[in-house]
Amino acid sequence: EADIYQTPRYLVIGTGKKITLECSQTMGHDKMYWYQQDPGMELHLIHYSYGVNSTEKGDLSSESTVSRIRTEHFPLTLESARPSHTSQYLCASSVGQGWVGDTEAFFGQGTRLTVV
Amino acid sequence: AQTVTQSQPEMSVQEAETVTLSCTYDTSENNYYLFWYKQPPSRQMILVIRQEAYKQQNATENRFSVNFQKAAKSFSLKISDSQLGDTAMYFCAFMKHVFGNEKLTFGTGTRLTIIP
Repeated sequence: EADIYQTPRYLVIGTGKKITLECSQTMGHDKMYWYQQDPGMELHLIHYSYGVNSTEKGDLSSESTVSRIRTEHFPLTLESARPSHTSQYLCASSVGQGWVGDTEAFFGQGTRLTVV
Repeated sequence: AQTVTQSQPEMSVQEAETVTLSCTYDTSENNYYLFWYKQPPSRQMILVIRQEAYKQQNATENRFSVNFQKAAKSFSLKISDSQLGDTAMYFCAFMKHVFGNEKLTFGTGTRLTIIP
């Protein structure tokens, strides 16, 4: 399996709480991504980073924020969780140097978040 | 913007049979990559096979092969001698061949069940 880890795997939390989903990779990849996977299993890019101190919003608008202070770490934070944030969140990383051999994305196991 | 369409939400096939999953995409780019990713139940998403658009030869990885039709913008996945471990969600994905823009656009997925 790939060396990319997400914690927690499952989280049930009350409305209004602040939460941070952790994502770490030990492959030295510069590129990291957060995807939101809805109940129908469709994947939407919500954040990405091309290196330390680089973060960009993805294709799907999200109230979450991310940071990239270290290469290996790309946490996602929700300041005030709401039931609409209930979803599965997948973190991924890639080398991404533009060569075909570097295009593979490695995914974590995901965090299933439920906001009640 | 690129779009990826998977028109088969669910498929099932008997073990040892061959199954083909469909994928079409829309893009104005000439250079790009196409992928099939597999997401087994409660496990990490992994790369199954990838294809560079500038290559006419269809990619093959053991029991997995693709039928890439660039003019038709079609990219189907064929699984031969299907096994129980092939049961998973399969996602077709697109990536532009632009350094610094290695974002994946996913289709909606096909849930494949291999029947013993």
